[in-house]
Amino acid sequence: NAGVTQTPKFQVLKTGQSMTLQCAQDMNHNSMYWYRQDPGMGLRLIYYSASEGTTDKGEVPNGYNVSRLNKREFSLRLESAAPSQTSVYFCASGDVALAKNIQYFGAGTRLSVL
Amino acid sequence: AQRVTQPEKLLSVFKGAPVELKCNYSYSGSPELFWYVQYSRQRLQLLLRHISRESIKGFTADLNKGETSFHLKKPFAQEEDSAMYYCALTSSGNTGKLIFGQGTTLQVKP
Repeated sequence: NAGVTQTPKFQVLKTGQSMTLQCAQDMNHNSMYWYRQDPGMGLRLIYYSASEGTTDKGEVPNGYNVSRLNKREFSLRLESAAPSQTSVYFCASGDVALAKNIQYFGAGTRLSVL
Repeated sequence: AQRVTQPEKLLSVFKGAPVELKCNYSYSGSPELFWYVQYSRQRLQLLLRHISRESIKGFTADLNKGETSFHLKKPFAQEEDSAMYYCALTSSGNTGKLIFGQGTTLQVKP
């Protein structure tokens, strides 16, 4: 039981490049989330998917897009990376009914944009 | 607006000393509050939630609705408690979204 798996673990991009962060969960959770973690800012929600086929903006969605490919997978795309997107990105999953609002996190992706 | 505030970026104590990590919130309605912990080189994980009213690794947290606080306490800190601690609350609606505080780094010195 792997829980929440994120790839890649590390990535360096040049300004303007694009990339997709992958996330998969094997806990049969309905909801999935993408956060960014910045010093002094805590975790801020970028996008979330309450169920398969739906996505919604969180607190800081600008510059990102997401795809809920199926119940297991939720990807985050940076179309044109900017230095302000240098951060650690966490994917999480949860189920309001099953997991009672508890979220389970991936190991994170450390992204640097030069 | 729904908000979680952790006023201390860093809390440094000696082993065996009591610990209190502060968390204040603003929320209209009945919030559900959590403490998450991130140990070095590990993923963020749930430490405890106020509904459970349990003690995990010697930590407890009591919801004080009058003071809108959910402080995390431990009577005797251990070196292995050193970590980043986040207070969080579930936002309104049934989406399971969490609003996190800024985080407090707890450093327990030998």
